[in-house]
Amino acid sequence: DIQMTQSPSTLSASVGDRVTITCRASQSISGWLAWYQQKPGKAPELLIYDASSLESGVSSRFSGSGSGTEFTLSITSLQPDDFATYYCQQYRNYPWTFGQGTKVEVK
Amino acid sequence: QVQLEESGPGLVKPSETLSLTCTVSGGSISGYYWSWIRQPPGKGLEWIGYIYYSGTTNYNPSLESRVTISGDTSKNQFSLKLSSVTAADTAVYYCARRKRVGAYYYAMDVWGQGTTVTVSS
Repeated sequence: DIQMTQSPSTLSASVGDRVTITCRASQSISGWLAWYQQKPGKAPELLIYDASSLESGVSSRFSGSGSGTEFTLSITSLQPDDFATYYCQQYRNYPWTFGQGTKVEVK
Repeated sequence: QVQLEESGPGLVKPSETLSLTCTVSGGSISGYYWSWIRQPPGKGLEWIGYIYYSGTTNYNPSLESRVTISGDTSKNQFSLKLSSVTAADTAVYYCARRKRVGAYYYAMDVWGQGTTVTVSS
């Protein structure tokens, strides 16, 4: 299985901050990477697919980059609604695997 | 607007079979891949497997010996069966659709709200 490792596990930030989350794959996944946002008690929501493609309806404050084994999710001008847990997921190989999650919390 | 809704028992006894159904509304099951994902309390996400509308399936090897995913295009539904459950199978179970643009498939863009399944006697 391809292991996905996110860092940090928890990120403390303030409204208006720019934050960056990193996701590393244990082997190359080319650009077959997605980012999801999950709020407590809710299903994950797709933010980014193919490493850098913004899902329809998602704010342009979210952006993704990377290829191969290292990827980043950036959020500019953090808003109150952005405090949540973020997961990366590879869909290059089966079984699909997720990172352990990064919780963005209020500083 | 496609919507997914999971249904099934919220409590299953150890060693029994967990059975869930995902009903697709606002769109057709045809032409897409449909997955089951689960999330134990306070933990991360685990992909269980998928079914393609044609009936092709693929399961996570960690669960493959206990999992069956089936589909019913006439009802616009697909289902999950997980046998010989233990407390470790207690989780929120989600169904999800794989995004499709033309002939290309991507990540999971539509999710059900999730259903909590507790394994306990």
